[in-house]
Amino acid sequence: NAGVTQTPKFRILKIGQSMTLQCTQDMNHNYMYWYRQDPGMGLKLIYYSVGAGITDKGEVPNGYNVSRSTTEDFPLRLELAAPSQTSVYFCASSYWDRVYWYGYTFGSGTRLTVV
Amino acid sequence: EDQVTQSPEALRLQEGESSSLNCSYTVSGLRGLFWYRQDPGKGPEFLFTLYSAGEEKEKERLKATLTKKESFLHITAPKPEDSATYLCAVLHDDKLIFGTGTRLQVFP
Repeated sequence: NAGVTQTPKFRILKIGQSMTLQCTQDMNHNYMYWYRQDPGMGLKLIYYSVGAGITDKGEVPNGYNVSRSTTEDFPLRLELAAPSQTSVYFCASSYWDRVYWYGYTFGSGTRLTVV
Repeated sequence: EDQVTQSPEALRLQEGESSSLNCSYTVSGLRGLFWYRQDPGKGPEFLFTLYSAGEEKEKERLKATLTKKESFLHITAPKPEDSATYLCAVLHDDKLIFGTGTRLQVFP
């Protein structure tokens, strides 16, 4: 049981390049999330998904795109990378049984630098 | 606007010196309050979920409590391995809203 797996762990991009951050969970969680964490700023929600085929914007979605074609995978796409996207990105997943929330498990993160 | 505020920003304790971390929130319709521990270079690690005022949960040297406006994370007789950043988050509309964390250092 691997939990939430993120790849890559580190990446350096040049301004204007594009990339996809991968996130996979094996817990059959219906909810998945992408957060970014900047020093001293806490975690900010980029996009989230309540199930396969359904995605929605979070607090800071500009410059990013997501898709959710399966329950397990929730990739985050960066188009035209900018220095402001330098950050640590975390994927998370959770399950709600209509009473309690379970999980809210985080991956180990992707450290992205845009130069 | 929904907000989560944690205090203090940083806390230095001597081993064995008990203290509390605060998390205050202004969220309508709170569906749960989460505490996480985060070590440098790693993802947040789940500690507790609290759902209603008056609820308490314990794990080793940590105890979390919840009122209608704030939560406390009490650390009893901390050890150096308790050094980490502790994050508080509230669940609102299926999403977690995070505070900026309290960076705890426990020295021998």
